[in-house]
Amino acid sequence: DQQVKQNSPSLSVQEGRISILNCDYTNSMFDYFLWYKKYPAEGPTFLISISSIKDKNEDGRFTVFLNKSAKHLSLHIVPSQPGDSAVYFCAASAIWRGAQKLVFGQGTRLTINP
Amino acid sequence: DVKVTQSSRYLVKRTGEKVFLECVQDMDHENMFWYRQDPGLGLRLIYFSYDVKMKEKGDIPEGYSVSREKKERFSLILESASTNQTSMYLCACTEGGYGYTFGSGTRLTVV
Repeated sequence: DQQVKQNSPSLSVQEGRISILNCDYTNSMFDYFLWYKKYPAEGPTFLISISSIKDKNEDGRFTVFLNKSAKHLSLHIVPSQPGDSAVYFCAASAIWRGAQKLVFGQGTRLTINP
Repeated sequence: DVKVTQSSRYLVKRTGEKVFLECVQDMDHENMFWYRQDPGLGLRLIYFSYDVKMKEKGDIPEGYSVSREKKERFSLILESASTNQTSMYLCACTEGGYGYTFGSGTRLTVV
């Protein structure tokens, strides 16, 4: 039962254009959402997050949008740069036995073409 | 910032071997996690620990066990390695907030 889904395994975008990565979730108990970026042979690194009480969070070229009624979030990268080429994981947080437990999506491989 | 170190980047083991994957963090964080990453499946939680000697099963604990004797070290044990445990293994920790810090991962191949 995949509680967090990224339905696009891959995405290819021209340099300078906007990249939009999507994520859907099923559990309404999730209260915080995060995006991680992963390069090959490295661990994931935190990119941006959003609380369930907000609908938008912006950090430089990265913006995350949350639509709670649709249980959908998206990551916008603008303008896209070659260094953005990586796998992006969406994650949702729930507290379980006092620990924050993250549930991850399958990942989307983003390729930025020069 | 916390640093999470996984002892091996690449490992090749034989079917049936007992395998130990080590993870060490340098900031005394309480919560530590083991995930495996597989193409098309994302990151799946194997086990986590919220204190010394405390452990909780994640979503896919079968075939694995863990040990946390000291706060900074969290070990993942494959009791009898099988080919379907060939994967990228990622350790993470958090102080209790929302962000995890991950290690660089161990790519394990079981032949």
